[in-house]
Amino acid sequence: GESVGLHLPTLSVQEGDNSIINCAYSNSASDYFIWYKQESGKGPQFIIDIRSNMDKRQGQRVTVLLNKTVKHLSLQIAATQPGDSAVYFCAEMRRPQKLVFGQGTRLTINP
Amino acid sequence: EAGVAQSPRYKIIEKRQSVAFWCNPISGHATLYWYQQILGQGPKLLIQFQNNGVVDDSQLPKDRFSAERLKGVDSTLKIQPAKLEDSAVYLCASSRLNQHNYGYTFGSGTRLTVV
Repeated sequence: GESVGLHLPTLSVQEGDNSIINCAYSNSASDYFIWYKQESGKGPQFIIDIRSNMDKRQGQRVTVLLNKTVKHLSLQIAATQPGDSAVYFCAEMRRPQKLVFGQGTRLTINP
Repeated sequence: EAGVAQSPRYKIIEKRQSVAFWCNPISGHATLYWYQQILGQGPKLLIQFQNNGVVDDSQLPKDRFSAERLKGVDSTLKIQPAKLEDSAVYLCASSRLNQHNYGYTFGSGTRLTVV
């Protein structure tokens, strides 16, 4: 069936290093791809999105890359900080306004 | 802008009992969603409302789950009777009509434990 999945369930990085979280998707019929951050005890929080006709979008310390040829999405976090520790989900916005989530990657920051 | 409000934050019940969750979306958001998030997994859509009508309830176990959104604002999700596998966080989210970017705004969820 259609799904949005992640390559790695956990990622551990040194504070100050850059983090790269990957995501594979199988459904090409979507308007947007969205990255969410979920901290313990909280709901998912919007980080950044990218329209399906774009290949790169930058935000504050975050960059999302979309490769439609291989159906791959990545989130890059620059200069990772302790506050970045969380579970990160990629999600796909399918019509009509249906958000489909992947499995999630837990990011831990080593001091 | 106030966020999506959910209550209660936690609930522990015995299997075969009933439980209800409440959600108040962001003012002006026509679309409301209920998601189920089992520990270690991504959220899974249960039901989607547009105003007070159901748009998608294909993943809702209708033999035990029900949801309503009277007057197109607040919503309740009910489970009757609960099973052990219903233990999860139930997330409510809302968005503006036809808003495809930015995703949704989520509440903090209700953590349900069925024992």
